Amino acid sequence: EAEVAQSPRYKITEKSQAVAFWCDPISGHATLYWYRQILGQGPELLVQFQDESVVDDSQLPKDRFSAERLKGVDSTLKIQPAELGDSAMYLCASSPGGLVYNEQFFGPGTRLTVL
Amino acid sequence: SQQGEEDPQALSIQEGENATMNCSYKTSINNLQWYRQNSGRGLVHLILIRSNEREKHSGRLRVTLDTSKKSSSLLITASRAADTASYFCATVRGGSEKLVFGKGTKLTVNP
Repeated sequence: EAEVAQSPRYKITEKSQAVAFWCDPISGHATLYWYRQILGQGPELLVQFQDESVVDDSQLPKDRFSAERLKGVDSTLKIQPAELGDSAMYLCASSPGGLVYNEQFFGPGTRLTVL
Repeated sequence: SQQGEEDPQALSIQEGENATMNCSYKTSINNLQWYRQNSGRGLVHLILIRSNEREKHSGRLRVTLDTSKKSSSLLITASRAADTASYFCATVRGGSEKLVFGKGTKLTVNP
């Protein structure tokens, strides 16, 4: 069964360092999402891609976060510099179409700890 | 910001009992989805119900939607220890493509 892949699974870094997360969606899925999930909360959308284009990045802290999906397949989310408040689970999800009427398929997530 | 609010925040039951979780939301929606998250893992889609539907079933899951009350419920029948997880409702607003999650209900099923 096809799955969304994410790496690394765990990342520990010191504040002010740069970190990067990678996501490989299910083959053929045009839409890719990055979420941040703080412990005890539900996921919150950071950025949504349709193919290689950003559809929604209204909740992305653009002064320190960046995301790209250059060839419309895999994606990278970067934080530079990391802050203590960035400690969270970062989830990637994909779906077949451009409209969120279908389910989203989630990867296992990257647990980030900023010291 | 989070659209849905699940109730209760935590629920502990015995194996074989039924578990009911509720979700309330604030604005009109196109559809509502329920997801499960095992501890420290990614989310798994359980069921989607559209705004013109009132009830859907999938295996041991039953979801209802009352758009007049802006609420939904998820019923898990004959629960198993493997159902232990956090359950989230997520809404899609009309005219939007964004999936907005609630804070979740943490379900513990004791063997």
